[in-house]
Amino acid sequence: NAGVTQTPKFRVLKTGQSMTLLCAQDMNHEYMYWYRQDPGMGLRLIHYSVGEGTTAKGEVPDGYNVSRLKKQNFLLGLESAAPSQTSVYFCASSYSQQRYFGPGTRLTVT
Amino acid sequence: QQQVKQSPQSLIVQKGGIPIINCAYENTAFDYFPWYQQFPGKGPALLIAIRPDVSEKKEGRFTISFNKSAKQFSLHIMDSQPGDSATYFCAASISGNTPLVFGKGTRLSVIA
Repeated sequence: NAGVTQTPKFRVLKTGQSMTLLCAQDMNHEYMYWYRQDPGMGLRLIHYSVGEGTTAKGEVPDGYNVSRLKKQNFLLGLESAAPSQTSVYFCASSYSQQRYFGPGTRLTVT
Repeated sequence: QQQVKQSPQSLIVQKGGIPIINCAYENTAFDYFPWYQQFPGKGPALLIAIRPDVSEKKEGRFTISFNKSAKQFSLHIMDSQPGDSATYFCAASISGNTPLVFGKGTRLSVIA
């Protein structure tokens, strides 16, 4: 099992550009999450999904959109990137309360 | 809105020492309290977790102490090693798959 994988690992965007981060899990988990991690801020929940076709807002959803068209994939979109979205993004999935995290995507917006 | 407060932000201990990281929570509905360990360039990984029906849980060199009345829980690392150097996050959630609320993290350095 690959667990939770994230694509890409690194990305540099210019302000106003758009991009999609892909998260995939092969554990058949119903629940998936997107977090951002910033120095001194811990992990903050952006959006999450409790199953295929469902999404919900987390703590810091503004500027992001998500889609869960397939159970194994959870996409995070930035329609118009801003420097404030420079961060490390982590995807996670869960069956019970234990979260399994991906390796992260480091995004820089200039 | 910081529902889980973690301290200290950083900690340096000698090899063999016992670092202690503390967390305090506000929501009395929380009933699951995990600790995650994160190495540089990696995603967080579950280290140990506790539920409020017990006051202590040990797994190897890692121990969680839980004080329900004080709404506090802490992580102790016995006989710490340089390989334990990482960032540690406490978290809390309500039963089921409700989103975890994370503390801001503690960067631990264990020096030989």
